Amino acid sequence: NAGVMQNPRHLVRRRGQEARLRCSPMKGHSHVYWYRQLPEEGLKFMVYLQKENIIDESGMPKERFSAEFPKEGPSILRIQQVVRGDSAAYFCASSQGAGEKLFFGSGTQLSVL
Amino acid sequence: DQQVKQNSPSLSVQEGRISILNCDYTNSMFDYFLWYKKYPAEGPTFLISISSIKDKNEDGRFTVFLNKSAKHLSLHIVPSQPGDSAVYFCAAPRFSGTYKYIFGTGTRLKVLA
Repeated sequence: NAGVMQNPRHLVRRRGQEARLRCSPMKGHSHVYWYRQLPEEGLKFMVYLQKENIIDESGMPKERFSAEFPKEGPSILRIQQVVRGDSAAYFCASSQGAGEKLFFGSGTQLSVL
Repeated sequence: DQQVKQNSPSLSVQEGRISILNCDYTNSMFDYFLWYKKYPAEGPTFLISISSIKDKNEDGRFTVFLNKSAKHLSLHIVPSQPGDSAVYFCAAPRFSGTYKYIFGTGTRLKVLA
């Protein structure tokens, strides 16, 4: 499967724990984007990364959230000390170049108890 | 600042009839628009796009119309099928130093058999 792969599909955390969401882009894609969808809302941009660089993190909350896309391995979205309001579907997308069509993964549904 | 707006959260259409989904935008710098379709528990998938140099793009049952003067685009599905029932998002890439896609809030289409 050469599509965008996200794991886990479902993640349950208790308040105060850490959540790590992983995303492997499509083969040949070096641009990765993370979006969040809250219940009954649209897709909100969080962060845009290229290999080893954060290009745009204007949509990321200032605290507790971080993202990386290392030279080797998947992109990671990390949420520290999760709160109930972090419960959402987190989608990763990749593109071949800047401004080109996005291909999305199936998402990670984060539930914070 | 919602630069891409979908004012109808839901739409119900009889099978075989036309579905028309609308999207308005405020940023006149947008020059490329996309529609994505999303089924529950899946990631959005690309459906159709249009460049601002065109006013219409057709792909099978799907046609997107762009009215630049009104800053409005619409997606027509004809004939509608039950399998078209999904949430539809319009999106545009915004360049402000870097590219990021801005998504509307989505319209939930239900095609009744």
